[in-house]
Amino acid sequence: DAGVTQSPTHLIKTRGQHVTLRCSPISGHKSVSWYQQVLGQGPQFIFQYYEKEERGRGNFPDRFSARQFPNYSSELNVNALLLGDSALYLCASSPWDRGTDTQYFGPGTRLTVL
Amino acid sequence: GQQLNQSPQSMFIQEGEDVSMNCTSSSIFNTWLWYKQDPGEGPVLLIALYKAGELTSNGRLTAQFGITRKDSFLNISASIPSDVGIYFCAGLTDSWGKLQFGAGTQVVVTP
Repeated sequence: DAGVTQSPTHLIKTRGQHVTLRCSPISGHKSVSWYQQVLGQGPQFIFQYYEKEERGRGNFPDRFSARQFPNYSSELNVNALLLGDSALYLCASSPWDRGTDTQYFGPGTRLTVL
Repeated sequence: GQQLNQSPQSMFIQEGEDVSMNCTSSSIFNTWLWYKQDPGEGPVLLIALYKAGELTSNGRLTAQFGITRKDSFLNISASIPSDVGIYFCAGLTDSWGKLQFGAGTQVVVTP
């Protein structure tokens, strides 16, 4: 079975631009979460969506937004890019079974802001 | 920022040696997850722990959910070159969503 897929794999933008990152969860998973990973650190939680509704939001500015589609795929949007937004953006999906939220990650999108 | 204290930060070991790393927190967690991440790739789930005291193995990997629910450890036995990478612990305080990650343990295996 296919794992979590993300596109694009790499992206280069300039300050002030907008970016859209895409994620397709594992088949059957209804929950998608987004994380930002800066070099040398662990991932930081940005958003979680379940059944197309936002279930959680991390400590990120309003420039970051996301949505989930009826097929459970998701988009992360970042407006007015800053140099500090350069990072690996990870998407994770979870089946929401066993009453907890075991998350499986995709390969990530490497965003570079110049 | 990080709320999980993961140690050691890095380990340089010889092939065949055992590896041990741990995570501690001031908060109680309901789930502990251990991931391995190779450069430029996403974290790969190694072991999931759901109950305090739970001890779970996955091949040469063994992890335990601490009784206090504030810590977890991961052991790798008889290390091999492909064990090289960064290992992250992650925990859930609620049933949902926000995984909190440690800073990672970088493992280097020399022949």
